[in-house]
Amino acid sequence: QKEVEQNSGPLSVPEGAIASLNCTYSDRGSQSFFWYRQYSGKSPELIMSIYSNGDKEDGRFTAQLNKASQYVSLLIRDSQPSDSATYLCAVRHSGAGSYQLTFGKGTKLSVIP
Amino acid sequence: DVKVTQSSRYLVKRTGEKVFLECVQDMDHENMFWYRQDPGLGLRLIYFSYDVKMKEKGDIPEGYSVSREKKERFSLILESASTNQTSMYLCATRANPNTGELFFGEGSRLTVL
Repeated sequence: QKEVEQNSGPLSVPEGAIASLNCTYSDRGSQSFFWYRQYSGKSPELIMSIYSNGDKEDGRFTAQLNKASQYVSLLIRDSQPSDSATYLCAVRHSGAGSYQLTFGKGTKLSVIP
Repeated sequence: DVKVTQSSRYLVKRTGEKVFLECVQDMDHENMFWYRQDPGLGLRLIYFSYDVKMKEKGDIPEGYSVSREKKERFSLILESASTNQTSMYLCATRANPNTGELFFGEGSRLTVL
């Protein structure tokens, strides 16, 4: 069973702080990693993708990947109330089933004004 | 921008009814997916389709079937709806089979009474 684990939260941070969201995965051969943001009552939207070890930055968002530790994270700098949402980590596995993404159950983030 | 349109945002059906959920995409993507999302269970894959007339079971296909007669349209069918199929149903397409990121429709919230 290929698993993706996230702390369900809620994670509360004050406005302007850095929010750190974490995700671990079980399949060491996984190649592609994604972060989706989902507002309440809405569908998930892709905000970051990362494929190689290290950091990838896009505006206030930074995705970090460590394949040796099977760990991927999302940092949100200068958090805003509009960042309050559930963040889903998704992993594309290797081998059989590589056409699928496995999603974590999500971490709910609340940014307090 | 990718546009994934689900025909119905909200549906209320009775136990035993046949239910059709339709999804249409306008970007000529080959891969399409149906997920359901439930609190505490996250996103679970029901069925997916590589291409026209091709379909594969996901993790929870029981009680569902799909149809893909045209590339742009992927339908989810509940042959005889049951109360445990009350859920949010999300259609997604894949832009790039090599990387795996998915783009979601707005979702269809189905209530079975």
